Amino acid sequence: DAKTTQPTSMDCAEGRAANLPCNHSTISGNEYVYWYRQIHSQGPQYIIHGLKNNETNEMASLIITEDRKSSTLILPHATLRDTAVYYCIVRVAGGGADGLTFGKGTHLIIQP
Amino acid sequence: NAGVTQTPKFRILKIGQSMTLQCTQDMNHNYMYWYRQDPGMGLKLIYYSVGAGITDKGEVPNGYNVSRSTTEDFPLRLELAAPSQTSVYFCASSTSRTAPNEKLFFGSGTQLSVL
Repeated sequence: DAKTTQPTSMDCAEGRAANLPCNHSTISGNEYVYWYRQIHSQGPQYIIHGLKNNETNEMASLIITEDRKSSTLILPHATLRDTAVYYCIVRVAGGGADGLTFGKGTHLIIQP
Repeated sequence: NAGVTQTPKFRILKIGQSMTLQCTQDMNHNYMYWYRQDPGMGLKLIYYSVGAGITDKGEVPNGYNVSRSTTEDFPLRLELAAPSQTSVYFCASSTSRTAPNEKLFFGSGTQLSVL
């Protein structure tokens, strides 16, 4: 699986859009980008995933650059409950049963 | 819908004691996983299972054992607890690997301290 690089921490004001970057310059053509988040003391929670095209769901939007070497997770109107560690993971879909590899992620702090 | 249920939520063990962390899921998922998370770190895979009767080692399997006798249950066994096993343990499950939306569903975790 390709390696990902994320900032250690970020701040965002409540009500503003939170933009979380992820670099994955060695990504392969068949690897998806997954985003999870972990609110303090809870298990990680799936947010969104994508291959090439931008994706949006009820939680967030995922913007993948045309060369697929980086992506941005967007939380459009951040609330205090969005304070969490966000993990960017690159993985071949169906590429094995051994789960996903979680790095240290980005600690997003939403400021009131 | 309960999802993935882990018990206990907290446990303190003495060095050398043994215990079993329980994990059950009600989503009929084939794939189940055990992760551990040390303070300030990411999650590390301990063991995983692709179905009843089949298990395999992850990144950090030493000191642990698992079994998968049913689709629903995936217990994690610590035989001789050591301080290095102080961590938060998460169980997870997922649907078939042939689906591109390979979502993992996590339990709420077990916080284990070995003193």
